[in-house]
Amino acid sequence: DAGVTQSPTHLIKTRGQQVTLRCSPKSGHDTVSWYQQALGQGPQFIFQYYEEEERQRGNFPDRFSGHQFPNYSSELNVNALLLGDSALYLCASSFRFNTDTQYFGPGTRLTVL
Amino acid sequence: AQKVTQAQTEISVVEKEDVTLDCVYETRDTTYYLFWYKQPPSGELVFLIRRNSFDEQNEISGRYSWNFQKSTSSFNFTITASQVVDSAVYFCALTRRGGNTGFQKLVFGTGTRLLVSP
Repeated sequence: DAGVTQSPTHLIKTRGQQVTLRCSPKSGHDTVSWYQQALGQGPQFIFQYYEEEERQRGNFPDRFSGHQFPNYSSELNVNALLLGDSALYLCASSFRFNTDTQYFGPGTRLTVL
Repeated sequence: AQKVTQAQTEISVVEKEDVTLDCVYETRDTTYYLFWYKQPPSGELVFLIRRNSFDEQNEISGRYSWNFQKSTSSFNFTITASQVVDSAVYFCALTRRGGNTGFQKLVFGTGTRLLVSP
């Protein structure tokens, strides 16, 4: 039973660039959530996708956007990168009718120089 | 608004000691879930437990136990006879009860780093 997978593991970008992070949910899950975890902090909710639509969004600017595909996998896009976007980006998956328990992937470490 | 407070930033213990990680939460919801996640150095958040707000029974799983007290809005986590492999950052989290009524986000505390030395 495959868990949540994310790619890439690490990424280095420069200010102003754009980045795309990818996530495949755990088998049987159809809802994907994205979190940003700055160094020494707890994860902060970015947004959540179900049936290819954004269902809920945290307090993040429009530079952060996402997409969900018919196979439930998801992408997180960040435009016009800032130094403050450097963080661990975590993807979590859950089942629509039990979204309370989310299972996390290993994360993508993004460094913006 | 929902809030989770983990006042202990870092705890250091020697192997075989018992250790308790504190978690205090705030919510106006009457129905909610509380969670503990473990984050080892690899970065992945590992789910440990989910507790329903209606269920105040304490739970034990091997060396792990959880004490949920609604009267003090606390959900504390105890590791008995700690081991070096327990070294990690532990997060307490809170969510409204969603299910088929909506989509819910997790609200995390700032985490407690546990260092267990041999």
